[in-house]
Amino acid sequence: DADVTQTPRNRITKTGKRIMLECSQTKGHDRMYWYRQDPGLGLRLIYYSFDVKDINKGEISDGYSVSRQAQAKFSLSLESAIPNQTALYFCATSDAGQSVPLGEQFFGPGTRLTVL
Amino acid sequence: AQSVTQPDIHITVSEGASLELRCNYSYGATPYLFWYVQSPGQGLQLLLKYFSGDTLVQGIKGFEAEFKRSQSSFNLRKPSVHWSDAAEYFCAVAGYSSASKIIFGSGTRLSIRP
Repeated sequence: DADVTQTPRNRITKTGKRIMLECSQTKGHDRMYWYRQDPGLGLRLIYYSFDVKDINKGEISDGYSVSRQAQAKFSLSLESAIPNQTALYFCATSDAGQSVPLGEQFFGPGTRLTVL
Repeated sequence: AQSVTQPDIHITVSEGASLELRCNYSYGATPYLFWYVQSPGQGLQLLLKYFSGDTLVQGIKGFEAEFKRSQSSFNLRKPSVHWSDAAEYFCAVAGYSSASKIIFGSGTRLSIRP
């Protein structure tokens, strides 16, 4: 079984709809991340969480919100989807502790979201 | 400002030929450096990373990368590519702080010519 799973894998929705993307991990990592990938732009960080009580905005958090329900679960919500949020969304985890520099990130397979 | 530049958007090489993918970074201090690979329909997988020590690092799948501080570069190389190496490759940089985040380049798409 995959260590980092994302649901759904594909989603088509309409402008104005609320959408939730879910991420679960079995790696036991404290840190979780949400990225979006757009052609030619690489990956951009939306939100990240260093533990259940610690959630932080990334570089492009406007229009998004997150919930860290448990160590293993980190959800991304689009409160009112708009077409320019059409992208590939990735969840990632890492096991870097507070006294250790950032370590390797492990990525889920991605969710392709289309907003019409 | 911290940034990562991958100047080549798309590269095509023949199977069996050597490969070099370029990566330049801008960072306030010596950073941690990474190369990730994304196969079609997949998430990103770490190929290799540089933290300190020997500036030539070996990774999975026969890849290596060399950190050159004077050039602010971390180029990825492979002596002989295989058709299965066709993918998108991302260079990334992170700082030493435990609160640091990874900054990704825009990626280089590699195609393999039979």
